[in-house]
Amino acid sequence: EAQVTQNPRYLITVTGKKLTVTCSQNMNHEYMSWYRQDPGLGLRQIYYSMNVEVTDKGDVPEGYKVSRKEKRNFPLILESPSPNQTSLYFCASSSGGTLAKNIQYFGAGTRLSVL
Amino acid sequence: AQKITQTQPGMFVQEKEAVTLDCTYDTSDPSYGLFWYKQPSSGEMIFLIYQGSYDQQNATEGRYSLNFQKARKSANLVISASQLGDSAMYFCAMREGHNQFYFGTGTSLTVIP
Repeated sequence: EAQVTQNPRYLITVTGKKLTVTCSQNMNHEYMSWYRQDPGLGLRQIYYSMNVEVTDKGDVPEGYKVSRKEKRNFPLILESPSPNQTSLYFCASSSGGTLAKNIQYFGAGTRLSVL
Repeated sequence: AQKITQTQPGMFVQEKEAVTLDCTYDTSDPSYGLFWYKQPSSGEMIFLIYQGSYDQQNATEGRYSLNFQKARKSANLVISASQLGDSAMYFCAMREGHNQFYFGTGTSLTVIP
């Protein structure tokens, strides 16, 4: 089954404790992206990657890191989480291409609370 | 300036009626894509429909159609024959340039029996 898998689904942590949210896709997609969703703000892009070893900042990259060492995986790293990073996070992937439809398929989301 | 604007925080529609959800966008890039996603209360993001900036015809997918007015920079979603299962949050999104995406703040649709 084609899917984007995020782990964990729920996470409660404390300020300053490094964490990683994993994202994996089995569709051989080139493009992967991370979003955060906050009430009243919709989804905002954090980082995206057009291929292995190619990453770019989205709208709200501060406080986050990503890496793309393999095509299927795109982990999101919070080196020193703060309470304002409490949010619902989505990973997405698509086949990529500038003129292509580039329909993104989303993971189920990770709800993160930073105390 | 907002890249994607959805001005209707909440909408109500009677079952079996049609409803239009508004979306306007802002870009100077001639090549862009417009998307609508549905987010039910369970939280997943479900792709509904796509319109490319060079597409001559309005996109349709079953009961969903996209009213694309390029000069007005609008991409409204029309849902025909609303069903109870259509109650959800709806997001308009735009792909601009080399794969940067922007989402609107969403419209919450409630279908009334």
